[in-house]
Amino acid sequence: AQRVTQPEKLLSVFKGAPVELKCNYSYSGSPELFWYVQYSRQRLQLLLRHISRESIKGFTADLNKGETSFHLKKPFAQEEDSAMYYCALSGQDTGNQFYFGTGTSLTVIP
Amino acid sequence: EAEVAQSPRYKITEKSQAVAFWCDPISGHATLYWYRQILGQGPELLVQFQDESVVDDSQLPKDRFSAERLKGVDSTLKIQPAELGDSAMYLCASSLEPEDTFSGTDTQYFGPGTRLTVL
Repeated sequence: AQRVTQPEKLLSVFKGAPVELKCNYSYSGSPELFWYVQYSRQRLQLLLRHISRESIKGFTADLNKGETSFHLKKPFAQEEDSAMYYCALSGQDTGNQFYFGTGTSLTVIP
Repeated sequence: EAEVAQSPRYKITEKSQAVAFWCDPISGHATLYWYRQILGQGPELLVQFQDESVVDDSQLPKDRFSAERLKGVDSTLKIQPAELGDSAMYLCASSLEPEDTFSGTDTQYFGPGTRLTVL
């Protein structure tokens, strides 16, 4: 079975503080991992994917196959980062079907 | 900027009634997805189309749910009869036909969703 676990439903940090949103996965093959974000009253959208190795809006995420994790990190949180974040997994073993985690609601306190 | 369109945005119905949702993907996107998102959970894939063909409908409750994409463009998801447990957000997404450059997946673009309430 392919599963994505986001252990934190709610996360609050102060503006300027580092933030880490946790994502752990269970997958038998070679996964492709994503972070999606949904800002208030906006559509769900792709934030970043591990294969691109990009930093988007100051966020980075490293795939750790040993720990089966894909945590999302940002060194200095901004108020506009407040949103719902979903980790997602796909891969050839899943027929490229997406599996989403349950999401983490991030609130950045001014 | 092109976007995925969905209608209606909100639907309230009584149990045992039939409901239908419509999705218009971004032009040129061959792959179309329908997801269901129950409050407090992540989206769950119901059905995936490649052009007009169903690629995956393993999670679609086929006794009451049906989906079609007759001309490989827009799509309709139907529930008949609706049950109380069907109350959820129904999301449509589309993507370019998957390239085989990396692992074969491509970015999904989501619509605004249809929020269904079954009374």
